[in-house]
Amino acid sequence: AQSVAQPEDQVNVAEGNPLTVKCTYSVSGNPYLFWYVQYPNRGLQFLLKYITGDNLVKGSYGFEAEFNKSQTSFHLKKPSALVSDSALYFCAVRVNYGGATNKLIFGTGTLLAVQP
Amino acid sequence: GAGVSQSPRYKVAKRGQDVALRCDPISGHVSLFWYQQALGQGPEFLTYFQNEAQLDKSGLPSDRFFAERPEGSVSTLKIQRTQQEDSAVYLCASSFGLDNYEQYFGPGTRLTVT
Repeated sequence: AQSVAQPEDQVNVAEGNPLTVKCTYSVSGNPYLFWYVQYPNRGLQFLLKYITGDNLVKGSYGFEAEFNKSQTSFHLKKPSALVSDSALYFCAVRVNYGGATNKLIFGTGTLLAVQP
Repeated sequence: GAGVSQSPRYKVAKRGQDVALRCDPISGHVSLFWYQQALGQGPEFLTYFQNEAQLDKSGLPSDRFFAERPEGSVSTLKIQRTQQEDSAVYLCASSFGLDNYEQYFGPGTRLTVT
């Protein structure tokens, strides 16, 4: 079965420090991986995706993620955290069965708290 | 440009009532998805449309849940005889193509069943 794990419920980091939000996945075949961010009372906003190509993917708001096939991981990173980055972050993997579906399977989310 | 919109944003229903939730996807987006997000959880897939065809409804939790997209644009998620366990945020998402494309989410409808 395809699944995504986010091992940390919450990550705390000081403003200006680098941040990492962890994600591991289990899929059959090539993984299509995504990161989304959710602010209170708002829908999910797309940050970045990995489909193929370079293992380091750059996305919105200065975020990047590194795809590691051997470790089946897709950790989200940012060199310098901002207080405004505080939000709930979701990792997701796309399931595709011959075009019959393109649904996303989400992790449980990681709350990022950036202290000023 | 306009994003995915959903209405109503909030809905309170008494147990046993029927509700209808509306989703307006981004214009021209072929794919449309419904997800259910319980408090403190990640979104869980409900159903998927490609144009007007409902290709995957494997996530619908019971036959009380029904979704349609008759003209390949606006979609409605209907829940009959609502139960307390139906209380959640219902998210709609759309994407441009059939492959590789990210999904864009609406703000969601928060359903509370009392």
